[in-house]
Amino acid sequence: GAVVSQHPSWVICKSGTSVKIECRSLDFQATTMFWYRQFPKQSLMLMATSNEGSKATYEQGVEKDKFLINHASLTLSTLTVTSAHPEDSSFYICSAPGVFGNSPLHFGNGTRLTVT
Amino acid sequence: LAKTTQPISMDSYEGQEVNITCSHNNIATNDYITWYQQFPSQGPRFIIQGYKTKVTNEVASLFIPADRKSSTLSLPRVSLSDTAVYYCLVGPQGMDSSYKLIFGSGTRLLVRP
Repeated sequence: GAVVSQHPSWVICKSGTSVKIECRSLDFQATTMFWYRQFPKQSLMLMATSNEGSKATYEQGVEKDKFLINHASLTLSTLTVTSAHPEDSSFYICSAPGVFGNSPLHFGNGTRLTVT
Repeated sequence: LAKTTQPISMDSYEGQEVNITCSHNNIATNDYITWYQQFPSQGPRFIIQGYKTKVTNEVASLFIPADRKSSTLSLPRVSLSDTAVYYCLVGPQGMDSSYKLIFGSGTRLLVRP
């Protein structure tokens, strides 16, 4: 079945540094990918839609200059958290839609970001 | 965007059948109903999807009444490993990849020995 791979699975960084998270569709092409953020005991919150070949679309309240999204190819989208602060510590999850008919969203396994 | 409402939490015991109902009163004609399971520190995992009536796979059944304003996920004979958060989502799938799915609060299921 379709697989979405996310890397790294966890990362610890110092305040003020930047962190890049990769999301790859392993056996299918994804012109669109979605990035979610999840705080402990809360639901997934959609941050942005990544579009191959064009700019990402950000949800209201999400700073586009802080969360840089690049959809470099049909199988790779990256999320860069710039100048990270402790409040950016969260679980980040990417997903890609299936390509056939009513295929559901496929999710990566998430990246746990801890900013110290 | 179709909004969903689910119970915040449910408790059950091993071996019991668990039914989780989701309300989606403003579901659109081309929306599918999809259920996901999420364990701590993992991405959501697809369980089952349906459009109308009943769908069954190896892990669950999904019941959808004729008006499609609600749906019920049925987990037969749950085990401790079914303890997780279950999300009900509605929206177009697949080819309409421009559609973004919004997660509701989900239902936190706790299965006790």
